[in-house]
Amino acid sequence: NAGVTQTPKFQVLKTGQSMTLQCAQDMNHNSMYWYRQDPGMGLRLIYYSASEGTTDKGEVPNGYNVSRLNKREFSLRLESAAPSQTSVYFCASHPIAGGTYEQYFGPGTRLTVT
Amino acid sequence: DQQVKQNSPSLSVQEGRISILNCDYTNSMFDYFLWYKKYPAEGPTFLISISSIKDKNEDGRFTVFLNKSAKHLSLHIVPSQPGDSAVYFCAALYNFNKFYFGSGTKLNVKP
Repeated sequence: NAGVTQTPKFQVLKTGQSMTLQCAQDMNHNSMYWYRQDPGMGLRLIYYSASEGTTDKGEVPNGYNVSRLNKREFSLRLESAAPSQTSVYFCASHPIAGGTYEQYFGPGTRLTVT
Repeated sequence: DQQVKQNSPSLSVQEGRISILNCDYTNSMFDYFLWYKKYPAEGPTFLISISSIKDKNEDGRFTVFLNKSAKHLSLHIVPSQPGDSAVYFCAALYNFNKFYFGSGTKLNVKP
């Protein structure tokens, strides 16, 4: 049971390049999320998917696209990277119903855009 | 505009003493509140949560208090241990689906 996995762990891009960050969870959770963490800003929600086949914008969606490929996988795409997108990106999943409503986070992807 | 705020970027406490981390929020419609702990180069991990209909939840050394009239919650750690040194985020859940996080408080517990 790997929990939430993210690839890659590190990435350096040049301005204008594109890339896709991959996320997968093996906990059969319905909801999945993408956050970015910047110094002094905490975690800010980029996009989320409440269930397979649906996606919604979060607080900072500009410059990003997402795909909920199936229940397990939720990818984040940067079509034309900008230095302002230098950040640490976290994927998370959440079962929705009952319990403590906790999210389970992946280890993060550290992205630098030069 | 940030809906969840942690106004103290850092806190230093002596081992064995109480640590109190604070969080304020603006939206009275939040359903649940959660605290996460984060070590460097790792993802956040869940610590404790509280429903919006309760005012206290306890789990071992960790207690979360919710004051709905003041839109304020706090996390108490008693006694504090050096291994508690980390960044603590509070988060609020809206519509049982969307989470808002504070900016974090870095706790340093001195031996």
